[in-house]
Amino acid sequence: QVHLVESGGGVVQPGRSLRLSCAASGFTFSTYGMHWVRQAPGKGLEWVAVISYEGSSKYYANSVKGRFTISRDNFKNMVYLQMNSLRAEDTAVYHCAKDGVPGYGMDVWGQGTTVTVSS
Amino acid sequence: QSALTQPPSASGSPGQSVTISCTGTSSDVGGYNYVSWYQQYPGKAPKLMIYEVSKRPSGVPDRFSGSKSGNTASLTVSGLQAEDEADYYCSSYAGSSVIFGGGTKLTVL
Repeated sequence: QVHLVESGGGVVQPGRSLRLSCAASGFTFSTYGMHWVRQAPGKGLEWVAVISYEGSSKYYANSVKGRFTISRDNFKNMVYLQMNSLRAEDTAVYHCAKDGVPGYGMDVWGQGTTVTVSS
Repeated sequence: QSALTQPPSASGSPGQSVTISCTGTSSDVGGYNYVSWYQQYPGKAPKLMIYEVSKRPSGVPDRFSGSKSGNTASLTVSGLQAEDEADYYCSSYAGSSVIFGGGTKLTVL
């Protein structure tokens, strides 16, 4: 069964860093791109970043460019999101999602991990 | 990267049909046949309902259908059922990025 499980969320002060992880299982991880998508409390979905299947191509939303870095380890079936210089507006549930259909469609989602940026 | 425009809410009675619109620009919705729709229940992860404008993943009822005209995509839910009450989000490929709509809360009266 295809499964994505995020971890690493928590409460962090503004300006600090946090690294999220996403463990994948049930599919050939190394052949799919992966996304991070976030949802602020009571708000809609916001795309954050995508990484290609082999890790060579990475793209980011303007709101996180230069602060967040997406990476992956195809040996461990893991995708990561390194978040630096965190701001209050980064507070959200962060989901990882499998890039499984053409046009960056996301066919499998994790339940998410919560990040709260607060002093 | 402005969000796609969706109506905040939509509603219909059981058995009726409801259509939710999603308006973008020629740089996203109008430029590619890569519109997806997601269903999300409160506190749950989103679920892919439609991709490539009108294709349904296996397991999604054929009551859900998608279409596109110009810069506007639409999701139609026919034969509304109580379990269709949820939030619905459109998204579009926008050239190395993804743009989501603001979401529409569908209420089954």
